[in-house]
Amino acid sequence: EVQLAQSGGNLVQPGGSLRLTCEASGISVSDNYMSWIRQPPGQGLEWVSDVYRNDITFYADSVKGRFTISRDRSKNTLFLQMNNLRNEDTAVYYCARSRGGNRFDFWGQGAPVIVSS
Amino acid sequence: DIQMTQSPSSLSASVGDRVTITCRASQDIYIYLNWYQQRPGKAPKLLISDASNLEAGAPSRFSASGSGTDFTLTISSLQPEDIATYYCQQYGNVPPITFGQGTRLEIK
Repeated sequence: EVQLAQSGGNLVQPGGSLRLTCEASGISVSDNYMSWIRQPPGQGLEWVSDVYRNDITFYADSVKGRFTISRDRSKNTLFLQMNNLRNEDTAVYYCARSRGGNRFDFWGQGAPVIVSS
Repeated sequence: DIQMTQSPSSLSASVGDRVTITCRASQDIYIYLNWYQQRPGKAPKLLISDASNLEAGAPSRFSASGSGTDFTLTISSLQPEDIATYYCQQYGNVPPITFGQGTRLEIK
């Protein structure tokens, strides 16, 4: 059974940093396309970042230069380092396995990130 | 970026009704479209991939069709557990992957 267990969500001030963690079981994060998707309160889904099997990374324009996706093979864990956070980054952040790099078939439970002073 | 527009934004229907949700892409995405169901407070669930392929475990009352710019998701007989928000998602021209704004489905 595939499980993605998320942690790291928190309240943070504007300009602050936060690291989200997504620990996988049942799949290898290093052998799969993995993604982060977010959902602002009461709004729809927004793709944030991908890491491909060959370690190529992609980012939404809204987070480029501030967020970094990475993974630890030994811990089978995906990360999202978020720096210089803005109020508009407030959202529930989901990690997901991206099957074939284009469809999200396994999701974490979500981690709330609130950016507020 | 490809814009995805869903209609309606919200929908109220009775148990047993046939329900249809549409999704339009701002440019041709062939069949590179997926549908998700998100129940309140839960993570989204992949329902349909490649415009019309029902995911394993998804109820057979769900079906979808379309290609190019116009797509539909149909529930043949609405059940109470289908109360959710439904999203389409394109991968015809990525990055970025983009989602529709969602269609909230309620029971009358």
